Amino acid sequence: DTAVSQTPKYLVTQMGNDKSIKCEQNLGHDTMYWYKQDSKKFLKIMFSYNNKELIINETVPNRFSPKSPDKAHLNLHINSLELGDSAVYFCASSRETESRGYTFGSGTRLTVV
Amino acid sequence: KQEVTQIPAALSVPEGENLVLNCSFTDSAIYNLQWFRQDPGKGLTSLLLIQSSQREQTSGRLNASLDKSSGRSTLYIAASQPGDSATYLCAVRGGYALNFGKGTSLLVTP
Repeated sequence: DTAVSQTPKYLVTQMGNDKSIKCEQNLGHDTMYWYKQDSKKFLKIMFSYNNKELIINETVPNRFSPKSPDKAHLNLHINSLELGDSAVYFCASSRETESRGYTFGSGTRLTVV
Repeated sequence: KQEVTQIPAALSVPEGENLVLNCSFTDSAIYNLQWFRQDPGKGLTSLLLIQSSQREQTSGRLNASLDKSSGRSTLYIAASQPGDSATYLCAVRGGYALNFGKGTSLLVTP
């Protein structure tokens, strides 16, 4: 019944590794997002896909690459992980119509050691 | 660029008090404003969504107001309870992206 689900919930990995976070929504929304919440708890948009098309690509290192196989899924792949990548990553979705609100997943806590 | 500010950054009140959390934004060209609650180590729970054409929304003990022209919103919590302790986030939508404030950390003591 989970509306926006992310996996894994926790991820601990060594510097230099490559990892992926998966997100799926069953709300029928056509837009999905990745947000990063840093150590000071500030949430900032990273990417957004609308119907599998990249529409927002903020200033994020090239090591981060989103992929949307269909409008219900948005994955985030991170290459060559660095200590500074440690954060909580939230997936979210919304309808294209601006009047609708966002629904967030429960987050993936990434720790790079 | 939209900037969202929340005041106060932290608030501690005894149980039963009514309280007001403030949010201000710099660009009044918004579609809507959404208040979220975040518990420690958890995700974001949507509390209230106010469209740009609306003045307020209510849900239970929560009431959110919006004054788009002045770039302000308030979240009013009536008869606070210890279970209300959490971080409250204000977010405005001007396009696809939500722009968040840094949140107000609320502690309600028994």
